[in-house]
Amino acid sequence: KQEVTQIPAALSVPEGENLVLNCSFTDSAIYNLQWFRQDPGKGLTSLLLIQSSQREQTSGRLNASLDKSSGRSTLYIAASQPGDSATYLCAGGESYNTDKLIFGTGTRLQVFP
Amino acid sequence: EAQVTQNPRYLITVTGKKLTVTCSQNMNHEYMSWYRQDPGLGLRQIYYSMNVEVTDKGDVPEGYKVSRKEKRNFPLILESPSPNQTSLYFCASSFEKRPSRSYEQYFGPGTRLTVT
Repeated sequence: KQEVTQIPAALSVPEGENLVLNCSFTDSAIYNLQWFRQDPGKGLTSLLLIQSSQREQTSGRLNASLDKSSGRSTLYIAASQPGDSATYLCAGGESYNTDKLIFGTGTRLQVFP
Repeated sequence: EAQVTQNPRYLITVTGKKLTVTCSQNMNHEYMSWYRQDPGLGLRQIYYSMNVEVTDKGDVPEGYKVSRKEKRNFPLILESPSPNQTSLYFCASSFEKRPSRSYEQYFGPGTRLTVT
């Protein structure tokens, strides 16, 4: 059974730091990977999707990479800001014929001024 | 605005009283899912639908029903709610990106359900 681990579980950093959030899968057979942001009491906002044919995606200060051989993904946040404070979730898709996602339990990030 | 909407956003009910949580998307997506989120367990898929009249069980379907009579709507039905169904529920829709055949999921704002 596929399980997803996100490290660290929580992170508190001063504004301006560059951050790395990690996500690993017990089964490296990940088809595609999506990173989400969740604010307290709110829904999930899609940040980046790494499609099956891709190894990384970038959007503004965010860069996500996926190493299928090891079953690991990394989300890099450059020049963090207090507005980045949220929980970050990674989720893997297992196959081309299903949109089901397997979620990690998240990294809770706090960026203080 | 492209979005997934859920109603109600908050619901407190008693054991055994049937309830329905509605979900609607305006993006013409074929795929829709329901997830529940619990502390320490993350999000887990309850049911999913690949198209109208096509539904299937996810990882935690017990105690839930769904229907997909129209493409835009995917209601979640709890026939006889129990306290262990107290959770935060999310509806999601997605479409298939070609040619990679990957799916990008869009989530609703969530419904916080408490069953006493």
